Amino acid sequence: EVQLVESGGGLVQPGGSLRLSCAASGFTFSSYDMHWVRQATGKGLEWVSAIGTAGDTYYPGSVKGRFTISRENAKNSLYLQMNSLRAGDTAVYYCARALYYYDSRGGWYFDLWGRGTLVTVSS
Amino acid sequence: SYELTQPPSVSVSPGQTARITCSGDALPKQYAYWYQQKPGQAPVLVIYKDSERPSGIPERFSGSSSGTTVTLTISGVQAEDEADYYCQSADSSGTYRVVFGGGTKLTVL
Repeated sequence: EVQLVESGGGLVQPGGSLRLSCAASGFTFSSYDMHWVRQATGKGLEWVSAIGTAGDTYYPGSVKGRFTISRENAKNSLYLQMNSLRAGDTAVYYCARALYYYDSRGGWYFDLWGRGTLVTVSS
Repeated sequence: SYELTQPPSVSVSPGQTARITCSGDALPKQYAYWYQQKPGQAPVLVIYKDSERPSGIPERFSGSSSGTTVTLTISGVQAEDEADYYCQSADSSGTYRVVFGGGTKLTVL
């Protein structure tokens, strides 16, 4: 079965760290760009990070310097190391498989999502 | 920053047509994508490249583009279509590589 399964969420104090994992199965993990997207309770989707098949990484300004995305193709796994966590980072974190159109209007989009893992930053 | 603007809510009766818009300055230069999200579930891609429908998505879902606005149309709305819908795109400079709209709650009356 083609699926993504996140793990590693939990309660962490402000300023603390947490490492999320995403296990992929049913497809050739190494052939896809992979992303993390988060969603605070009752709020919209927010892009968190991306990693290409060659290991190139991308972040929005809100997490750059605090979060690190990585992958281990031999284990079909994606990771998100989150440091200096803030209350505003509280959200469900989704792992997502990305496709990219290489034409003049192309960009990433997501054809497969995990069910998410909840991260709560609170004292 | 780059923003995609959606109406917070749209309401329709069963069998009617629902139209959800998404506006952004870069949409003439970047494709738009649409996701459906039901409570407690992960998002599901329903439209890609402005108007293409993935396999398994009902034909009543369609997408269109005109200038700086893209539209998700759901024809013959069914109760099961009640969900949040998000558009997604990017800015044309490459600075904001993935941007989501704020989401639209579709209510089936």
